Amino acid sequence: GESVGLHLPTLSVQEGDNSIINCAYSNSASDYFIWYKQESGKGPQFIIDIRSNMDKRQGQRVTVLLNKTVKHLSLQIAATQPGDSAVYFCAEGSGGGADGLTFGKGTHLIIQP
Amino acid sequence: ETGVTQTPRHLVMGMTNKKSLKCEQHLGHNAMYWYKQSAKKPLELMFVYSLEERVENNSVPSRFSPECPNSSHLFLHLHTLQPEDSALYLCASSPRVSREKLFFGSGTQLSVL
Repeated sequence: GESVGLHLPTLSVQEGDNSIINCAYSNSASDYFIWYKQESGKGPQFIIDIRSNMDKRQGQRVTVLLNKTVKHLSLQIAATQPGDSAVYFCAEGSGGGADGLTFGKGTHLIIQP
Repeated sequence: ETGVTQTPRHLVMGMTNKKSLKCEQHLGHNAMYWYKQSAKKPLELMFVYSLEERVENNSVPSRFSPECPNSSHLFLHLHTLQPEDSALYLCASSPRVSREKLFFGSGTQLSVL
């Protein structure tokens, strides 16, 4: 499958500010996108997902934006908290099975007090 | 608590050893997965099981041998591994085989000497 890239390996933000984590994808056939959060010493945890028939989806303090024209995906975290410190990675899906999911390498979000 | 438990958390083994990783899910899911997470690399899908039947094997070397005795338990048997096999091995489950919302365990950090 095609690889999913992230613009920045590390993102540092002040506590209370909004965080934006970006993800670029290259497979135009991808129709499903998902974000995971991985804290140190833990496995990935689902945050939010979005299908290609949507441009935006909101969860609790998180918003995912999808721009299919430029093949770009972003995760916005509002009012960043210390507990948001983690590695965030996106994945794109083309095809229905688990083997159709391609993960990115991840962005490390660091929260500064 | 994600409902997916992996043991051991850490494992150091020599290249001639035989060891097994264990995964147990308490979520009543029918699908279980093994993923490999190497430093600075994306998650790699290794095996997929649906109702104890292997449905996916992503060209994994035969030195990795999965076993799924029932829908709640998954093992990964290791033998004659190479140093490049050192990684975090993650188990995941989902209600059915899907690319959507996986529930991950905390992983086994494996070091091959």
